[in-house]
Amino acid sequence: QQPVQSPQAVILREGEDAVINCSSSKALYSVHWYRQKHGEAPVFLMILLKGGEQKGHEKISASFNEKKQQSSLYLTASQLSYSGTYFCGTAFTGTASKLTFGTGTRLQVTL
Amino acid sequence: NAGVTQTPKFRVLKTGQSMTLLCAQDMNHEYMYWYRQDPGMGLRLIHYSVGEGTTAKGEVPDGYNVSRLKKQNFLLGLESAAPSQTSVYFCASRHLTRTSSYNEQFFGPGTRLTVL
Repeated sequence: QQPVQSPQAVILREGEDAVINCSSSKALYSVHWYRQKHGEAPVFLMILLKGGEQKGHEKISASFNEKKQQSSLYLTASQLSYSGTYFCGTAFTGTASKLTFGTGTRLQVTL
Repeated sequence: NAGVTQTPKFRVLKTGQSMTLLCAQDMNHEYMYWYRQDPGMGLRLIHYSVGEGTTAKGEVPDGYNVSRLKKQNFLLGLESAAPSQTSVYFCASRHLTRTSSYNEQFFGPGTRLTVL
């Protein structure tokens, strides 16, 4: 039931855009997105709930397609500080108190 | 506020030794979690707690025990360490509200454990 993230890794030049996808084989209640820099703890980016509510940072956007059981994270005009590994965490109806995380997408932004 | 803290930051054990990892949070959060992170595996939930005195198993609970005697502390124990338990361990906490699925998890800095 671990969500599948794609791509596994991506390299961008500063200013370019990227999309990171998260797919589940099970119906989702919510999707959480976190970013982790090397040697540090994961940091919250975004939550998307079934029904359309979302909460997160102003400069990051995401979508949640309930029918397709997918979420996508959109990183626009990337900056060097966006580098890190991005994880999606999924919660299912009835077990919303815990998350199942994907294996991560490594993003590197270069000059 | 210190947020979520973990003790110790690093530890090396020999196979068969025991140890306890301590997680503390000062945000009055009800939910607390223990994860392990291995290369290429993401974050995997070991055990979690939805309140003081309660614990539940996550995805990979074997070989670990937990206790939540005080709301602010969540302890993870390894009774007989094995090399397969070499990993980085993260603790996290989350606030409970009526719409608690709307609340993010706050992570501690991690404990790097090596079992020889």
